[in-house]
Amino acid sequence: GENVEQHPSTLSVQEGDSAVIKCTYSDSASNYFPWYKQELGKRPQLIIDIRSNVGEKKDQRIAVTLNKTAKHFSLHITETQPEDSAVYFCAASIRGGSARQLTFGSGTQLTVLP
Amino acid sequence: DVKVTQSSRYLVKRTGEKVFLECVQDMDHENMFWYRQDPGLGLRLIYFSYDVKMKEKGDIPEGYSVSREKKERFSLILESASTNQTSMYLCASSSPRRVGLETQYFGPGTRLLVL
Repeated sequence: GENVEQHPSTLSVQEGDSAVIKCTYSDSASNYFPWYKQELGKRPQLIIDIRSNVGEKKDQRIAVTLNKTAKHFSLHITETQPEDSAVYFCAASIRGGSARQLTFGSGTQLTVLP
Repeated sequence: DVKVTQSSRYLVKRTGEKVFLECVQDMDHENMFWYRQDPGLGLRLIYFSYDVKMKEKGDIPEGYSVSREKKERFSLILESASTNQTSMYLCASSSPRRVGLETQYFGPGTRLLVL
């Protein structure tokens, strides 16, 4: 099955700096890569996703890049703010079978220091 | 707005008890999922269902079963709770009907403590 590795497990940045979280996946058939943000005590929520036919996607201060050859995708947050502090999860998925299942990375605790 | 609710936010049970966790979604989603979340391990899929009465095992189904008698409701059952099932349990739902929009929407989670 799919295996997703996520690094780093913790990341501290100064407010206004950029943050980068990296994930690798094992199954070359994976074609959908969402990122979820989970604030303390709250449910995970989708913040951005990318499909395998696209190399980069941007939404205001967040962007995701995908390198299919290397089986690697990354989340980039620019001009970080204290409200960006949360746990971020990457995931990979193969469309097919009965339902699209997600395999999640282990999570990155991002702390934005004021 | 998609709403996914779970029956309890916190639950304390004793070893050997049968435990029911319930999840309800109001968006007519076909797919529903149960995950457990543990520090350093991310979210791991226990079971999922793609239709009423249909279910498939995820990555860690041992010690769990599920039930989906109605489209909006998906139950996770711990037949005989053990201490290693102490965890945060998250339910999610999605719909494959809209191509390209299979976002999974999560419930608030149930934190289960097995003593």
